[in-house]
Amino acid sequence: GNSVTQMEGPVTLSEEAFLTINCTYTATGYPSLFWYVQYPGEGLQLLLKATKADDKGSNKGFEATYRKETTSFHLEKGSVQVSDSAVYFCALSVWDYKLSFGAGTTVTVRA
Amino acid sequence: NAGVTQTPKFQVLKTGQSMTLQCAQDMNHNSMYWYRQDPGMGLRLIYYSASEGTTDKGEVPNGYNVSRLNKREFSLRLESAAPSQTSVYFCASSAGGLTGAADTQYFGPGTRLTVL
Repeated sequence: GNSVTQMEGPVTLSEEAFLTINCTYTATGYPSLFWYVQYPGEGLQLLLKATKADDKGSNKGFEATYRKETTSFHLEKGSVQVSDSAVYFCALSVWDYKLSFGAGTTVTVRA
Repeated sequence: NAGVTQTPKFQVLKTGQSMTLQCAQDMNHNSMYWYRQDPGMGLRLIYYSASEGTTDKGEVPNGYNVSRLNKREFSLRLESAAPSQTSVYFCASSAGGLTGAADTQYFGPGTRLTVL
């Protein structure tokens, strides 16, 4: 079956620190990979995605590269801000549109 | 353009009561989904509707029913609520069709349900 494993949190950082959240996956077929973000009290919104091996998704200073050889899609940001405090979810989708989510990683950035 | 809307935002039920969660989207999307979010478990798919007129079970369908009322609306019904159904419920929609695995889902703000 399809599954996603992501780094457990919570993660607490100072402003301008480097953020990495690890994500690995297991999938049948050729999945698309996603990072969704959930800000406090809100629904999820797409942060970035990659649809094939070696693609790099990027948005709002965040980046993630689809690594087929290591079945990974790690999220990185070089300099976090307080406004980046949120829960981050790694997810995958195969041909049937359904998303399989990781457990989520709570990130808190302190000023 | 409101995107995906859900009602109500909060609800408290007693065990055995029934209720319907409403969801609507204004993006002309073909596919719609219901998820539940529980601490430490990410989001789990309850039911989905790939297109108007079709519905299918997801990962955790027991205790729920759904209705795809039209292309815009997809409701989730709890016939006899149980404390195990205390959760945050999210509706989502996506274009579906030929987008395949690259399909992006758009989420509503959620309904926080407590069953006593």
